[in-house]
Amino acid sequence: GAVVSQHPSRVICKSGTSVKIECRSLDFQATTMFWYRQFPKQSLMLMATSNEGSKATYEQGVEKDKFLINHASLTLSTLTVTSAHPEDSSFYICSASRDRGTDTQYFGPGTRLTVL
Amino acid sequence: AQKITQTQPGMFVQEKEAVTLDCTYDTSDQSYGLFWYKQPSSGEMIFLIYQGSYDEQNATEGRYSLNFQKARKSANLVISASQLGDSAMYFCAMSPVGFGNEKLTFGTGTRLTIIP
Repeated sequence: GAVVSQHPSRVICKSGTSVKIECRSLDFQATTMFWYRQFPKQSLMLMATSNEGSKATYEQGVEKDKFLINHASLTLSTLTVTSAHPEDSSFYICSASRDRGTDTQYFGPGTRLTVL
Repeated sequence: AQKITQTQPGMFVQEKEAVTLDCTYDTSDQSYGLFWYKQPSSGEMIFLIYQGSYDEQNATEGRYSLNFQKARKSANLVISASQLGDSAMYFCAMSPVGFGNEKLTFGTGTRLTIIP
């Protein structure tokens, strides 16, 4: 199967600090990774599309200077929430694509961020 | 722009009964892909089934089948012989062409509860 991991699974931080979340494809190479955000009892909203070796494409309304995305290798993408505030508290989920035609995206288990 | 509508916020179904989760979509694209994902309370997104817009037959995966009615723009998920482990949030999603490396647009989800 295709396995995607995220680290950490949970993180609690103080307001004003930065938090890095890692997304790894464990058994396949992912040229494309996606970052989603999910508020409690709501749907997933795409934040950005990350392609290996190039700048991420952000969705409208997502601050690229606040949510820094790096996709340095075919198996790793990172999301850094800079100067986090309580309103950034959310469930962040990444997904990765094997780029095999109609093959689905594979999702990581998510990271729950709580900013105090 | 693509839009997914799930009109059932919650459903309660007796164990072993079949259940249909509704999904309608709107798009001006000729080619697109439709997906269903399951999200248990743990938060991970589990891929269930995929239907391409040009697929003439309805997709099936074990107990899951997708009732695709293109003219009505609906892609309902049917779960046969429901089990207690089916209790979860279910999201319908679509992508522009139907490839795995495209961004997904999600519906608001349906919370399914299976009653013993």
